[in-house]
Amino acid sequence: GQQVMQIPQYQHVQEGEDFTTYCNSSTTLSNIQWYKQRPGGHPVFLIQLVKSGEVKKQKRLTFQFGEAKKNSSLHITATQTTDVGTYFCAGPSGGYQKVTFGTGTKLQVIP
Amino acid sequence: NAGVMQNPRHLVRRRGQEARLRCSPMKGHSHVYWYRQLPEEGLKFMVYLQKENIIDESGMPKERFSAEFPKEGPSILRIQQVVRGDSAAYFCASSPRQGADGELFFGEGSRLTVL
Repeated sequence: GQQVMQIPQYQHVQEGEDFTTYCNSSTTLSNIQWYKQRPGGHPVFLIQLVKSGEVKKQKRLTFQFGEAKKNSSLHITATQTTDVGTYFCAGPSGGYQKVTFGTGTKLQVIP
Repeated sequence: NAGVMQNPRHLVRRRGQEARLRCSPMKGHSHVYWYRQLPEEGLKFMVYLQKENIIDESGMPKERFSAEFPKEGPSILRIQQVVRGDSAAYFCASSPRQGADGELFFGEGSRLTVL
């Protein structure tokens, strides 16, 4: 079945440094979504990318969908302590019915 | 518009007992997903339901686990004869659209502890 891997699994950064997480799917995706889960919390939707090569920005966050629609990245500029959490990518699978989540990247920001 | 409501938030069961987890989707949402999350791990898909129908249950263990989403009332995830390995956070998510085309709205989760 489809696998969605993310790297790195963990990342510690100093506050103010940049952070990037990468998402790779074993199959082509019709779209990709990104979610953030704060410690002890639930996943919260950040964004959805649909087009090949698409780039979207949300303040300090930049999301990119690969040309082949099999990979994606999330880049955070000048991290803040409020960015702490686990970032998941997610994509459709199983005949586009279910949503499969990536393995996640846990971000720790050191003040 | 209230968000996705899950209850109980915390549930403690002894081995062999039954656990019932409930999920009320957002108003107007007829698509419900259940995910399991072990500590420090990712979200593992369990089942996707629409009203009165199971669309995809490929992530559900074959035994002891069942899910339903009746015409009236919340979606229920039922775990019979719980074992310690069932201890996890169970998240429900709802969507107004079919399939994986749009945002999933998550509840705050039900955290099951099996003693």
